[in-house]
Amino acid sequence: GAGVSQSPSNKVTEKGKDVELRCDPISGHTALYWYRQSLGQGLEFLIYFQGNSAPDKSGLPSDRFSAERTGGSVSTLTIQRTQQEDSAVYLCASSLASAPVADTQYFGPGTRLTVL
Amino acid sequence: AQSVAQPEDQVNVAEGNPLTVKCTYSVSGNPYLFWYVQYPNRGLQFLLKYITGDNLVKGSYGFEAEFNKSQTSFHLKKPSALVSDSALYFCAVRAPSGSARQLTFGSGTQLTVLP
Repeated sequence: GAGVSQSPSNKVTEKGKDVELRCDPISGHTALYWYRQSLGQGLEFLIYFQGNSAPDKSGLPSDRFSAERTGGSVSTLTIQRTQQEDSAVYLCASSLASAPVADTQYFGPGTRLTVL
Repeated sequence: AQSVAQPEDQVNVAEGNPLTVKCTYSVSGNPYLFWYVQYPNRGLQFLLKYITGDNLVKGSYGFEAEFNKSQTSFHLKKPSALVSDSALYFCAVRAPSGSARQLTFGSGTQLTVLP
């Protein structure tokens, strides 16, 4: 079946502009995660959605970052007033989250964000 | 807080030889452990995971990993390396309880298999 999809694959923006990154999870997956991969910081957790519960935003680096998930499916990560340090690959993952034991997160191809 | 260490940034091995990519972890309680592989300009692909049970876990593409609780390690292994195994490998851990489901990743190990 189809995997996690993300769009755009690449995004170049100017400092100070807002950007929106989209994630379409695997059908039926109730959990959705955003991570950021950068040279200096490695892979960092940003935010987690599970069903209708309030999202876990503990990894968001600043209030310029926000995310929403509409209808329990597609998610959008928004970065306002982008800064050069926001340049990174933004990865989305989804999982079934159907059991107390660890389920497997499946990752999308990522969006490479470059802030000039 | 949980953490993962991958002590080697780079591992080189000749094709046909066995390979090992090292990972140690720190977490409260029994860990859930994962290995992912990343090819250039691609997302992460799941290889295998340890939840409970047999300490030797077998995964995709002939990879396996051994959970060692006393050494807090979860090294990735393959008996015979292929050139196509060359990629970036990430070890990850998740705490076994509580609401936090996010993974904490190691810094990654670049594996190069030489023909």
